[in-house]
Amino acid sequence: AQSVTQLDSQVPVFEEAPVELRCNYSSSVSVYLFWYVQYPNQGLQLLLKYLSGSTLVKGINGFEAEFNKSQTSFHLRKPSVHISDTAEYFCAVSRVYTGGFKTIFGAGTRLFVKA
Amino acid sequence: DTEVTQTPKHLVMGMTNKKSLKCEQHMGHRAMYWYKQKAKKPPELMFVYSYEKLSINESVPSRFSPECPNSSLLNLHLHALQPEDSALYLCASSQGRGPSDTEAFFGQGTRLTVV
Repeated sequence: AQSVTQLDSQVPVFEEAPVELRCNYSSSVSVYLFWYVQYPNQGLQLLLKYLSGSTLVKGINGFEAEFNKSQTSFHLRKPSVHISDTAEYFCAVSRVYTGGFKTIFGAGTRLFVKA
Repeated sequence: DTEVTQTPKHLVMGMTNKKSLKCEQHMGHRAMYWYKQKAKKPPELMFVYSYEKLSINESVPSRFSPECPNSSLLNLHLHALQPEDSALYLCASSQGRGPSDTEAFFGQGTRLTVV
């Protein structure tokens, strides 16, 4: 079975500071990992994804994530955050089921950027 | 066109009403999803349609009835809902051909309030 654990429910940080949002996964097979962002009263937007290849993945809005197979982690980072980055961030994994695939989400991390 | 369009954006309905949520995409995606998201929680999968056939029903009560009239449209018919069904209902689509194709594109959601 595949699952995702986001280690922090909330992360407060000052504007222009670096941030890391942590995500660990469990899977016995190849994984496909995603980070989504959700702004208040909005749908989810894909930030970045890891399918294969380079373990450092760059996404939109200056975010990047590193896939670490030995630590089963896929942490999201940004070197300098803006007020506008305040949002909910979800780590997700593709899960195989009979008939296809589906996306399983972690519990989410609320990033709060303070001035 | 990389959009998933959901209508209406907001819906208030009584417990005896019948209403429908609509979702449309024109990306040629063959997998479409309904998720339910309660406040401060991750999206929870309800249904998956793969090539217009229902492939997953996550034990959703029968008062929620999905329909996929064609590859671009997905409906969710609502009848005799309860106040606890109030939530943000998200539609998503993906290419649906393999695990690396499960990058989901989300609509903005329908905010449903049951009174």
